[in-house]
This record gives sequence, structure tokens and C-alpha cells, in this order.
Amino acid sequence: VQLVQSGAEVKKPGESLKISCKGSGYSFSTYWIGWVRQMPGKGLEWMGIIYPGDSDTRYGPSFQGQVTISADKSISTAYLQWSSLKASDTAVYYCARQNWIRGDRWFDPWGQGTLVTVSS
Amino acid sequence: QSVLTQPPSASGTPGQRVTISCSGISSNIGSNSVNWYQQLPGTAPKVLIYGNNQRPSGVPDRFSASKSGTSASLAISGLQSEDEADYYCAAWDDSLNGPVFGGGTKLTVL
Repeated sequence: VQLVQSGAEVKKPGESLKISCKGSGYSFSTYWIGWVRQMPGKGLEWMGIIYPGDSDTRYGPSFQGQVTISADKSISTAYLQWSSLKASDTAVYYCARQNWIRGDRWFDPWGQGTLVTVSS
Repeated sequence: QSVLTQPPSASGTPGQRVTISCSGISSNIGSNSVNWYQQLPGTAPKVLIYGNNQRPSGVPDRFSASKSGTSASLAISGLQSEDEADYYCAAWDDSLNGPVFGGGTKLTVL
């Protein structure tokens, strides 16, 4: 079971971006995939989560309207996209599979992370 | 400001036992199980404990955790140099309808 994310990106403010997270080794459609932001030197923040089986998506309040989470179950890939990047979007972004057993929910495994740098 | 509260740092010498606390409220830790993640320098987080006190296969039994009310704690016994990392607690929050994280605790092995 693994999640492999797309490579590092360097973008200018105002540009758009879509990063990816490809799952393998399990039934991709039947597990929620979450996205987590880690700004430089800071902690983990939950951005949102998607169920690839039907694309049901939830967003954290700080990220609603700021990013779009999507998935293509036919190629076992989830996406995180921005329409207009800001310098404050500079961070490492992780995807992670949510496991859910008897009411317990946790993220495992995690992708390796995608560093997004936004600078003019 | 993180939803769950952790001390920013902790330290110990090799062989010692250290504990890291995590405090929340009724809608998160008070109602749901707590998970702990370890993030070694320059790497992605990895689950250390899930469901309050369950260790995934491969995690040494030196790591243990507990929960009481709206607080939880992670204990590391027989501290080793390779335990130097950032540790995050997390729990589902029923009000947010999503997971919340602590701010992380940087563990230094002296």
C-alpha cells in the first residue's frame, strides 16, 4: 500500500497548479484520501478529504473556497488544485489514506509530500 | 493556533522515559479516539499510535499512549537517539467534521 505524490513545483503568484497523489496496492475507490498542509517550520493542518468512489468531498473551514480537491478513480489518483496561488501557499502538501475501523479514523499511509514554492 | 494543545518541546537522555501530553475538548478528544504521528526530520509523518493505544505492526512497544476525558498522552520508554522527531496528536472533531491536529512537540534526545 503506498501513495506517491507528484514532484516539487515552483510557481509565481497568480498562477494555477494541480498536484497529484496516486494510490497503489489497495482498492483506491473505497478509502477516503485526505490532504494536509505543512507550512515551513510549522505543524500539520487538515485541508480536506475526498471519497474517490463517489467524489464526496469535505473541506476544512480555512481551505473552503481556496483549493479544490478531486479524484479520478479510474487511475487511482487524487488531486489538489489552486486557481490563483499566493506566496502564503508555500508549503509541503501531503496526501494520506484515511483508515476507518470501529469508529477509529487515522491516516496511514502518507504520501512523500509535494513542496510547492510560490515566489515572484 | 492548533485545536489540540501540545507542549512545543520535550527532551530526555538515552534510556529515559518521556511523556508528551495532548489536550482537547469534548467535540474532539472527548468524543473520539486519539492518534499519534511521528515525523522524522525531512520526512512525511507516520502513524505511531491509532485508536488511543493501538500500535501498527512495526512500531516498537517502547511507544505507548493513553486517553482520559479530553486529554491524551504519549509515552516513550527506553529513549533512543533515533526517536528524535516531531510528534503530533490528532483526533476527529465532530463540530468540524474533520480531523484536528496538535501543534506538534519537538523531542530532543540529549
